[in-house]
Amino acid sequence: AQSVTQLDSQVPVFEEAPVELRCNYSSSVSVYLFWYVQYPNQGLQLLLKYLSGSTLVKGINGFEAEFNKSQTSFHLRKPSVHISDTAEYFCAVVAQKLVFGQGTRLTINP
Amino acid sequence: DTGVSQNPRHKITKRGQNVTFRCDPISEHNRLYWYRQTLGQGPEFLTYFQNEAQLEKSRLLSDRFSAERPKGSFSTLEIQRTEQGDSAMYLCASSRTSGGVIDTQYFGPGTRLTVL
Repeated sequence: AQSVTQLDSQVPVFEEAPVELRCNYSSSVSVYLFWYVQYPNQGLQLLLKYLSGSTLVKGINGFEAEFNKSQTSFHLRKPSVHISDTAEYFCAVVAQKLVFGQGTRLTINP
Repeated sequence: DTGVSQNPRHKITKRGQNVTFRCDPISEHNRLYWYRQTLGQGPEFLTYFQNEAQLEKSRLLSDRFSAERPKGSFSTLEIQRTEQGDSAMYLCASSRTSGGVIDTQYFGPGTRLTVL
């Protein structure tokens, strides 16, 4: 069975600072990993995905994530955040259906 | 391509009433998924369809819940005899999947259900 653990429920950072949102997964089959972002009262928008190939994946809005098989991690990073990045971020693993983590609320302080 | 749409966006109902939600997937997407998201939690899988066939149902989908996708296009999710614990955001997603290859699921804006 697949599962995802997001290690931080909330991450406050200052504008223009770097950020890392942590995600660890557990899977007994091939691993396909996603990061989605959810703005208030909206559905989920895909940030980036890892299906195969290069372990460093670049997504929209300047985000990137690195797949680390030995550490079973898929942490999301951005070198400089903006106020508009304030949202809930979800890591997910998939085998047919998506299995989501609990989410990390990113709060950007000016 | 207008994206996944869901109606209504908000629904307030009294306990014991039936409600029905609709999801229109991205055209030509053969898979359609329903998820439920409660406050402060990640979405949880409910069920999914490939074309008109319902291929998997979660244990979360009690017998009060029923989902259909009669023509392999739009889908409906009905909750009978609603309970306060059904209050949540119901999310629909669709994907174009063939030969077992994993593809991205695109989400709609969700339907927020409040049961009084």
